[in-house]
Order: sequence, then C-alpha cells, then structure tokens
Amino acid sequence: DAGVIQSPRHEVTEMGQEVTLRCKLISGHNSLFWYRQTMMRGLELLIYFNNNVPIDDSGMPEDRFSAKMPNASFSTLKIQPSEPRDSAVYFCASTLIPGIKGGYGYTFGSGTRLTVV
Amino acid sequence: RKEVEQDPGPFNVPEGATVAFNCTYSNSASQSFFWYRQDCRKEPKLLMSVYSSGNEDGRFTAQLNRASQYISLLIRDSKLSDSATYLCVVNKADSNYQLIWGAGTKLIIKP
Repeated sequence: DAGVIQSPRHEVTEMGQEVTLRCKLISGHNSLFWYRQTMMRGLELLIYFNNNVPIDDSGMPEDRFSAKMPNASFSTLKIQPSEPRDSAVYFCASTLIPGIKGGYGYTFGSGTRLTVV
Repeated sequence: RKEVEQDPGPFNVPEGATVAFNCTYSNSASQSFFWYRQDCRKEPKLLMSVYSSGNEDGRFTAQLNRASQYISLLIRDSKLSDSATYLCVVNKADSNYQLIWGAGTKLIIKP
C-alpha cells in the first residue's frame, strides 16, 4: 500500500523563481492537507482540501502561495515568486473522513525540504 | 495561551527508564486526541490515538483527563530508538478533520 508520495524530496532555488511541490494521496483518502514546518514556528497548516475542494486556505501566507487539487489523488503547492523566508519543510498529509473521529489521524508524506537562496 | 501546550524538553532519560509527558489543550469541546512521533528530518508518524478510557500499546500508555484538559504519554522500559520528538495533537473543536499540533517534546534516550 503506497503511502503519501511527495516530490521533489529536496529543492534548492534562487529567490524569485517559481517552485512547485507535488503530492499524491493514499488511494481512498478524501482529504488533503499542506503543512509547513520550521524550527521557529513548528507545523503550520497552509490549506486543506476535502473531496478536491479547498475548505480553508487561511493559513496560506500570502498571494505568492497557491494550491490546486485537479483530481482526487493529486495536489500541487506553488510558490511564485519564492523568497528566502519560504525555506522550510513542506509536508502534505491525507486522511479519510471521518478518519479523525475514527482515531486514524493523518498520514504524512516524507516532505519537501525547500531552500530559497 | 496556545491551543495545545507541551514542555519542549529535551528530556534526557537513561535507557530502560520510564518517562512521561503531559500535554494540555485549551478547548474543552475537542473530541479526538493523538500522539505523533517525529524523528529528526522525517515526517510525523501516528504513534497512537488517545481514548477516553486510556489505552496501551506495548510499552506505550496514553491517558486522557477531560476534566483537567490534558493528555499524557508514558513510555516504559525506554529504548535508544525511542529518541524522537513527540507531538501532542488535538482536533479543532468545530472541525471533523482539522488538527491542532503541539510544538513537541524532545526525548533523548541515553545508553
């Protein structure tokens, strides 16, 4: 059973460049969450989707960030233009509703370590 | 006050000892509780859900105290491989699937 798959694992880019992070959900899961993790701020929820529909994007830092879920199994997070303060580990996670009530929690991908220089 | 609070540690514990962490949450309406484990430079992984009656999984025991709004994790006979950061997680009270994450407690098991 393949887990949540993220790509790339590492990304180093120059300030001002566009960055696209990708995530493939676990088959059968219907909710997807994008998180950002830094030492200073811990895990921050950026946006989540339920059945391909964005439910809450209030955590998206600013207009430079956008996320899409074109189908039930795939999502992208785009940063354009990227800035050094965007450097972090970006995780996506998926779950099956009512996974939380059923005690299943989230399953995370391995993350993308982004460095903007 | 943070919605989920944990002692960041680190807890330095000799191998074989018992160690316990607590975590407090602010919203009494929260219904689902979890402990996640995160190894250095890895993703968080679900360690165990926390049920009202308390639950045990091998050397790990989780307890929930709704009256005082805290959950606990007890690790018995600690192993070197238990070294990690332990994240306390609580559902957002008005959401069926959004989680609130603690900042984590770092545990270091020493030989």
